[in-house]
Amino acid sequence: EVQLVESGGGLEQPGRSLRLSCTTSGFTFSGYALTWVRQAPGKGLEWVGFIRSKAYGGTADYAASVRGRVTISRDDSKSIAYLQMNSLKTEDTAVYYCTRDQFASGYYMDVWGKGTTVTVSS
Amino acid sequence: SYEMTQPPSVSVSPGQTARITCSGDALPKRFAVWYQQKSGQAPVLVIYEDTKRPSGIPERFSGSSSGTMATLTISGAQVEDDADYYCYSTDSSGNPVFGGGTKLTVL
Repeated sequence: EVQLVESGGGLEQPGRSLRLSCTTSGFTFSGYALTWVRQAPGKGLEWVGFIRSKAYGGTADYAASVRGRVTISRDDSKSIAYLQMNSLKTEDTAVYYCTRDQFASGYYMDVWGKGTTVTVSS
Repeated sequence: SYEMTQPPSVSVSPGQTARITCSGDALPKRFAVWYQQKSGQAPVLVIYEDTKRPSGIPERFSGSSSGTMATLTISGAQVEDDADYYCYSTDSSGNPVFGGGTKLTVL
């Protein structure tokens, strides 16, 4: 069974940093891109960024709203992806989901984790 | 920036057909994807490539797309289909975009 489990969320002060982890199982992690999506309380889904598989360079792209403050990385040996968030803002408060991606017919997310909650408040 | 527009809410009685639309200028050249999100849960993929249904998704869920509009149809909606539904696609440059979401009420 394909599983993605996010962790690392919690309460953090504005300006501080936080690293989220996405631990996966049930599929060949190295062969897939992974995406982070967030959802602010009572709001819709917002794409944060994604990281390509090493076969496609292993590079990451980010939404304009987080670019420069966020870094997505991956450890294929551990089947874990990370979302490093710096200079946190109150508007970063959200549930953060990790997803497995498909690219065969356009880019979309086929399996989602249950999410981890990040609260940024003083 | 590119937007995909959904109605905020749709309401049907159990057994009726629910249709949720999503409009976007890039849809004639891009596939539409649909996610279901029940209260307090993570999104679940219900339709991909405009019309395909992942394994485990009931046959009452179907998708279609014509021109700049994609449609998610739930034939014979059940109470358990009460959820938020999000369309998703990419713009002409490949940037990912979610629709604003539609709250489907089945009661």
